[in-house]
Amino acid sequence: DAGVIQSPRHEVTEMGQEVTLRCKPISGHDYLFWYRQTMMRGLELLIYFNNNVPIDDSGMPEDRFSAKMPNASFSTLKIQPSEPRDSAVYFCASSLDGAGWVEQFFGPGTRLTVL
Amino acid sequence: AQTVTQSQPEMSVQEAETVTLSCTYDTSESDYYLFWYKQPPSRQMILVIRQEAYKQQNATENRFSVNFQKAAKSFSLKISDSQLGDAAMYFCARGGATNKLIFGTGTLLAVQP
Repeated sequence: DAGVIQSPRHEVTEMGQEVTLRCKPISGHDYLFWYRQTMMRGLELLIYFNNNVPIDDSGMPEDRFSAKMPNASFSTLKIQPSEPRDSAVYFCASSLDGAGWVEQFFGPGTRLTVL
Repeated sequence: AQTVTQSQPEMSVQEAETVTLSCTYDTSESDYYLFWYKQPPSRQMILVIRQEAYKQQNATENRFSVNFQKAAKSFSLKISDSQLGDAAMYFCARGGATNKLIFGTGTLLAVQP
């Protein structure tokens, strides 16, 4: 398996623009997680899905952020409108099970820069 | 608060030597799991080692081992025979009854040749 795939790897945009980050989880994994990593706040869980259904979005910072998982092999994280404080590395991860003891497999991340 | 604390922002070790990275955590759960993840310059997070809280025996994976002190809520990572490829950011994380991993702030490990 190719592992978790994220695109794009780098994104530079201007404030106010819409940004869409994409993720393809490992085939057969039922759980998908979106994280944000910044120097100030470290690694934060934004939202996670189980069988394509959002389970916990309490980490989503505000209404400008939205995430979808239309099928088992694809998820998007959208920011609209984007702001400079959204600049961060965004990771997608997937796991076979959502239990707290199961390894999560991370993608390479998308480095987002909002000017 | 359910927190994970890594008190060493940066560490350095000579190649072939041993280094220990510290981690403490707070939890009210009786059953939980602890992890060390490695993040090399490529950014991709990789699982290094995992420990089940109900197991007294410390986990070991080749050159990597942990010192799990449940009563003290301490979970340190020992890297033996350090190699240049071990240079990375290391994150301690806790998982439990919820499906969330709580991560520490990370320790940046430099390996000197």
